[in-house]
Amino acid sequence: DSGVTQTPKHLITATGQRVTLRCSPRSGDLSVYWYQQSLDQGLQFLIQYYNGEERAKGNILERFSAQQFPDLHSELNLSSLELGDSALYFCASSTPGRAGNTIYFGEGSWLTVV
Amino acid sequence: KNEVEQSPQNLTAQEGEFITINCSYSVGISALHWLQQHPGGGIVSLFMLSSGKKKHGRLIATINIQEKHSSLHITASHPRDSAVYICAVRSVGGGADGLTFGKGTHLIIQP
Repeated sequence: DSGVTQTPKHLITATGQRVTLRCSPRSGDLSVYWYQQSLDQGLQFLIQYYNGEERAKGNILERFSAQQFPDLHSELNLSSLELGDSALYFCASSTPGRAGNTIYFGEGSWLTVV
Repeated sequence: KNEVEQSPQNLTAQEGEFITINCSYSVGISALHWLQQHPGGGIVSLFMLSSGKKKHGRLIATINIQEKHSSLHITASHPRDSAVYICAVRSVGGGADGLTFGKGTHLIIQP
């Protein structure tokens, strides 16, 4: 058990809809990362939050947004969903401190867009 | 060209064999991670390296910063080692603090 909790584990929704994925980081971790894993693109970094503030952006679409709340849990919002958004979405958290610290992954949220 | 290249893409071996998975990267990094992903999807961080060598049980990871290369070795391989092994790097100097991933090595250990 990594200590990172993601909900829901599985989600099926229709094109054009909006969904919210939720992540609770390991206790004490201030950084939360969101990653997308699709069959054709592999794992890609989407966005990072650190203590409530956006820290870095990767390959995140404009239709996607995220936030980190005062209790450090994070949500990834995916809107105007397309078939190509079907993927496994991972949240990860890390221990505050120097770069390159150990990173812990949640079990992922499987999103299927039909 | 992907910033992180792994080889081989697929590897099937017999139980007990010594396994080596390679990772080459083209950017300056602050750290390199080796990750393991089992069927069902969950990802576990095996090692984080910035220099030298680390060992955990039957797993050994090495990194050569000058050559921009890392290897993951599995000694006395076992069927439960069957998984996808992913190399990921954290770049220095770039805007993104997230990881850049290789495409993974699919390892199957046959009994």
